[in-house]
Amino acid sequence: AQSVAQPEDQVNVAEGNPLTVKCTYSVSGNPYLFWYVQYPNRGLQFLLKYITGDNLVKGSYGFEAEFNKSQTSFHLKKPSALVSDSALYFCAVGMDTGRRALTFGSGTRLQVQP
Amino acid sequence: DTGVSQNPRHKITKRGQNVTFRCDPISEHNRLYWYRQTLGQGPEFLTYFQNEAQLEKSRLLSDRFSAERPKGSFSTLEIQRTEQGDSAMYLCASSLGQGPPEAFFGQGTRLTVV
Repeated sequence: AQSVAQPEDQVNVAEGNPLTVKCTYSVSGNPYLFWYVQYPNRGLQFLLKYITGDNLVKGSYGFEAEFNKSQTSFHLKKPSALVSDSALYFCAVGMDTGRRALTFGSGTRLQVQP
Repeated sequence: DTGVSQNPRHKITKRGQNVTFRCDPISEHNRLYWYRQTLGQGPEFLTYFQNEAQLEKSRLLSDRFSAERPKGSFSTLEIQRTEQGDSAMYLCASSLGQGPPEAFFGQGTRLTVV
């Protein structure tokens, strides 16, 4: 079985400051890891993914995420937050074999204050 | 718009009625997924198609739920004898190929059962 934990329901950060949204995962094999963002009344939008290789993954809108196998984490980061980054962020895990669907975390609401 | 399209966007129905939702995936995508999302939660996997074959169904998908993808293109999700607990956002996603399940999501159909 695979699972994802996002320990923070909400993260508050001031505009211009760095942000981190935390994610840990549990899988029985090699994981594929994803971050999605959801704006109000919109579908989920893909931000970035880790498949293999470099542990630091760069994605859309200046976001990046670091894969840490020993800590089973895949935290989302951005050096300088924008008010427009305020949204709901979901971490997800998939596998290269067996189940093809993604398992999502419960989401973290990011609030960037001007 | 060449993204994933879902119809209707909103559906209000009386308890006990049947409802059907449609999903049109990105045209070249061979995989199609249905997820359900309730308020404050991440998307939960319901079922998955590869081309026209339904390869996996979640235990969340009770006997009242049925999904089809008859020609490997669009898909329908039907809920029979709706219950108030069925109220949720129903998300469709599609992806391409055999590799990591990077999925592109539609905007969802919001179902309200009264």
